[in-house]
Amino acid sequence: AQSVTQPDIHITVSEGASLELRCNYSYGATPYLFWYVQSPGQGLQLLLKYFSGDTLVQGIKGFEAEFKRSQSSFNLRKPSVHWSDAAEYFCAVGADNQGGKLIFGQGTELSVKP
Amino acid sequence: DAGITQSPRHKVTETGTPVTLRCHQTENHRYMYWYRQDPGHGLRLIHYSYGVKDTDKGEVSDGYSVSRSKTEDFLLTLESATSSQTSVYFCAISVAGGTLSYEQYFGPGTRLTVT
Repeated sequence: AQSVTQPDIHITVSEGASLELRCNYSYGATPYLFWYVQSPGQGLQLLLKYFSGDTLVQGIKGFEAEFKRSQSSFNLRKPSVHWSDAAEYFCAVGADNQGGKLIFGQGTELSVKP
Repeated sequence: DAGITQSPRHKVTETGTPVTLRCHQTENHRYMYWYRQDPGHGLRLIHYSYGVKDTDKGEVSDGYSVSRSKTEDFLLTLESATSSQTSVYFCAISVAGGTLSYEQYFGPGTRLTVT
C-alpha cells in the first residue's frame, strides 16, 4: 500500500536561514508527488509537483523539491526562509491506477524565528 | 483559484443529528473529493467521485455518505453525527492535464463540531 511519511512534526528555523522538509514515500512504481502548504485557518495551496522528467522541480514562493528514487524521498527546500513561510506543509503521493486519489503525510509545522 | 466553495464554513451540531456539507465547483471538473483533517493525521480521504452518480469510498468512509447529482455539487452527509466526527472537512477537485495529472485544488474547509 502507498504511504507517505513526514518524519518531522515541527521545525523551527530562523528567518533568512535555509529550510529542508523531509518526505519519504512508499510505492512500487513511479509516483506523482506533491507539496502543499496550509496557512492557519486556510485551505491547502499547491506549492509544486513532480510527475516525470527533471528530478529537481521548482514551485511557487521560491520553493523547490528534489525527487530521489533511490531514497524514496521528495524533500522540500528553500534557501532563505521568510516569516510569512510559517505554516503547515504536507507531502502527498498519487499514482496512475488510483483514480486520482492522493495519500497525504501527517504534515510538518514550520515556525520562523525573527 | 479553482472556483470551489464549501458551505457551511462552520457548524456546531449535537450527537445523533444528521449533517450535510456542500461542496460547489464552477469549472465542471470530473473528480471531486472529501477529506477530513485531524491533528497528527494529515488529510484522510472519506469519499470521492469520478462523475455524476459515480462515487467510491476512501480510507475513512464509515459513518459518511455522499451524493453527486450534478457535476458542480458534491454533498457529504453524516447520517448520525458522533463526537469522533468533529473535524475540519475539505473538499477538493482534480484537474486533468495533458494526461490525467492528479493535481488537486482545495476548498476553504468546513469546521464541524459535534457536541
